[in-house]
Amino acid sequence: DAMVIQNPRYQVTQFGKPVTLSCSQTLNHNVMYWYQQKSSQAPKLLFHYYDKDFNNEADTPDNFQSRRPNTSFCFLDIRSPGLGDAAMYLCATSRDRVGQISYEQYFGPGTRLTVT
Amino acid sequence: KNQVEQSPQSLIILEGKNCTLQCNYTVSPFSNLRWYKQDTGRGPVSLTIMTFSENTKSNGRYTATLDADTKQSSLHITASQLSDSASYICVVSSYSSASKIIFGSGTRLSIRP
Repeated sequence: DAMVIQNPRYQVTQFGKPVTLSCSQTLNHNVMYWYQQKSSQAPKLLFHYYDKDFNNEADTPDNFQSRRPNTSFCFLDIRSPGLGDAAMYLCATSRDRVGQISYEQYFGPGTRLTVT
Repeated sequence: KNQVEQSPQSLIILEGKNCTLQCNYTVSPFSNLRWYKQDTGRGPVSLTIMTFSENTKSNGRYTATLDADTKQSSLHITASQLSDSASYICVVSSYSSASKIIFGSGTRLSIRP
């Protein structure tokens, strides 16, 4: 059974048109992460939620926002997508902060975003 | 600067052969090191996770080693199968915050029949 679910798997949006990507989890984990991964590159952390506490990475553009209405769901909002935002967006969860102890990080299948 | 470097960038081997992928890191303070397998167009899937005190961990045909003194890790794949074709990513975590999760850029492994 899928534990980290991302919808849609493929999303096409127009330049400048807001888009929302969705992630849900059945693990009841405290931490949810959003990563951006461009072709042949490592995933880049955009931000994470520790419960309701939002943690933004310093170099994440303001164009990217996130919401976590409850434990199970987390959304990535791109307010005005540019061509450079075309990428795979990965959602991940962990029971607690992975740095403090060897908690596993579980990834969803990703959403491939195309900007036309 | 916290970095994770993987080698080789890409590797092609014949089905049934063994191979070893390398990961060197400078992340400090070190908490744990994980190896992931990422199929094209999919999210990463965990293979192994090791803490400071662990030297070797196996998961089926995958065996990871860790030398915390030299800050090196390797992933050995035995008797490769076509389904092993994927990117293998080394990820090192620091225990200071969730932000200190440093991804390597991966090794692209292709298995030829």
